[in-house]
Amino acid sequence: QKEVEQDPGPLSVPEGAIVSLNCTYSNSAFQYFMWYRQYSRKGPELLMYTYSSGNKEDGRFTAQVDKSSKYISLFIRDSQPSDSATYLCAMTIYNTDKLIFGTGTRLQVFP
Amino acid sequence: DTAVSQTPKYLVTQMGNDKSIKCEQNLGHDTMYWYKQDSKKFLKIMFSYNNKELIINETVPNRFSPKSPDKAHLNLHINSLELGDSAVYFCASSPGAGEEKLFFGSGTQLSVL
Repeated sequence: QKEVEQDPGPLSVPEGAIVSLNCTYSNSAFQYFMWYRQYSRKGPELLMYTYSSGNKEDGRFTAQVDKSSKYISLFIRDSQPSDSATYLCAMTIYNTDKLIFGTGTRLQVFP
Repeated sequence: DTAVSQTPKYLVTQMGNDKSIKCEQNLGHDTMYWYKQDSKKFLKIMFSYNNKELIINETVPNRFSPKSPDKAHLNLHINSLELGDSAVYFCASSPGAGEEKLFFGSGTQLSVL
């Protein structure tokens, strides 16, 4: 079993929809949780970063962490075609210098 | 201004050849990484360097040898290339060791024929 599980998709939604992307993990030592966005033929870029259970909001994006269930989510409100990309969750133990990534969910937002 | 740049963008080569990928960052970061992304988009760390010193070496074959001439550069040399080495290799940097916020380059698509 992988340490981090993520549905690969693809997830196809109409413009304006609310998107929910999820990851589950098995290592209860994970403390820091991130979402990266990767456009085709580009490197991943950090989208959201959180280290505590609960919600963190940044514009149209909300990251949610539930440590008791070992479950994290990324919500995208009012999705746009420009949000079409692969979304990778990542997590780490404090000060280990090693991120563990999910396999990514490919999102397509059509006009 | 490109923050993390790596060259070449594409690399097509024959099995058994030796090749290098170069990476440079102009962010003033102390830590640099090499990640490998396979065909299923799974991204896995290979190496990390902090101020030119090797910090992480993740059970990567000896054919892969990173070199960091200074903290702004981290190159990856691969000997005796194999078909299974075909992947996208990403260089990344972060402000310091233990920092979780990585800045990635655009990747090098390596195809071994």
